[in-house]
Amino acid sequence: DAGITQSPRHKVTETGTPVTLRCHQTENHRYMYWYRQDPGHGLRLIHYSYGVKDTDKGEVSDGYSVSRSKTEDFLLTLESATSSQTSVYFCAISDKQPFSGDTQYFGPGTRLTVL
Amino acid sequence: TQLLEQSPQFLSIQEGENLTVYCNSSSVFSSLQWYRQEPGEGPVLLVTVVTGGEVKKLKRLTFQFGDARKDSSLHITAAQPGDTGLYLCAGAFGGDDKIIFGKGTRLHILP
Repeated sequence: DAGITQSPRHKVTETGTPVTLRCHQTENHRYMYWYRQDPGHGLRLIHYSYGVKDTDKGEVSDGYSVSRSKTEDFLLTLESATSSQTSVYFCAISDKQPFSGDTQYFGPGTRLTVL
Repeated sequence: TQLLEQSPQFLSIQEGENLTVYCNSSSVFSSLQWYRQEPGEGPVLLVTVVTGGEVKKLKRLTFQFGDARKDSSLHITAAQPGDTGLYLCAGAFGGDDKIIFGKGTRLHILP
């Protein structure tokens, strides 16, 4: 198994509070991704990183920000959580660009509930 | 906007039966991947296909990539309860740094 951990694994928070989710990898892979998974929507990309301090938006980036100050860590921040951000969040890593067919390895997920 | 359509959304069949699930797009894929996801876990890669017409086999699973690289299928022979899960296809387009996932097919094999 690829060395990816996510923390916390479960979190319950209130509307309007800031939340930070952490993804940590031990594989030294260049690319890191944050997805959310919701019933009826599948996996949707929030933000991704193609190197330290290099990030870009995915299809559902509104309300989220990211930071990557080290190769191994990719942080996802909800500045002011809303109930619509209740979801399961997955981090993924890959070594090469996706169009090359390289494998994405997924973390175990974080279940976030915003009340 | 590239979209991946997976069908069927849900499939429940008896152990021992065969089944096929599909992944379609109006755009040409650079590469396509199939993942399986079990409850409470992240998706796990099953296969990657990159060449039009390519067929790959993984035990009882056969993956086919369309000649035009716009569609793919996953065929399972003699399904077993251990095949139960969510099957996701994911496609990379052009030189993008990201892949797009379909919504998945939820498969339930009844013993």
